[in-house]
Amino acid sequence: DGGITQSPKYLFRKEGQNVTLSCEQNLNHDAMYWYRQDPGQGLRLIYYSQIVNDFQKGDIAEGYSVSREKKESFPLTVTSAQKNPTAFYLCASSIRAGADYEQYFGPGTRLTVT
Amino acid sequence: GDSVTQMEGPVTLSEEAFLTINCTYTATGYPSLFWYVQYPGEGLQLLLKATKADDKGSNKGFEATYRKETTSFHLEKGSVQVSDSAVYFCALSDMDTGRRALTFGSGTRLQVQP
Repeated sequence: DGGITQSPKYLFRKEGQNVTLSCEQNLNHDAMYWYRQDPGQGLRLIYYSQIVNDFQKGDIAEGYSVSREKKESFPLTVTSAQKNPTAFYLCASSIRAGADYEQYFGPGTRLTVT
Repeated sequence: GDSVTQMEGPVTLSEEAFLTINCTYTATGYPSLFWYVQYPGEGLQLLLKATKADDKGSNKGFEATYRKETTSFHLEKGSVQVSDSAVYFCALSDMDTGRRALTFGSGTRLQVQP
């Protein structure tokens, strides 16, 4: 079955540590996205990538970094510079970046930093 | 910038009641509009979409009509079920800005009681 895999489902880290969240898709989609979800709020865009080896900052990129070395993978690193990293992180992909293309979402990773 | 405003929840209904969740938007250009649904602990799933004014999106008994004159995309269902309990997100995607990602509302939680 095609889809998006995010692992792990739950992640716990100590403050000051960097952590990398995995996102893999086997849908052969060009575009991939990372969103952050906080309680009572909508999703906010962290980074997106329209094609391999290219990515753009979203609305809340500070304290995060990404890479897009392979079409199927778009890992997100939450660095120690991120002031409030505890949140639910969602990865998504679409065939291409564009208004009409549906975004498919992974199941999410809940990160807790203490 | 672009924005989406949804009615605050939770919305609590009895089974078989009529559902309306309001959504209005602000955007430059000509956005496509979406409704996504999130079940507990999961990622988002596309529920329906509309890509131009007066289009009606529909799926699983849910409907929403793209109203350019009122900048609205309200979600409706004639008879809700307990299984419809979830969080519903209205979103837009605007090619003209070059952003090529979705802007989400804050979400509306629906609780359907038997």
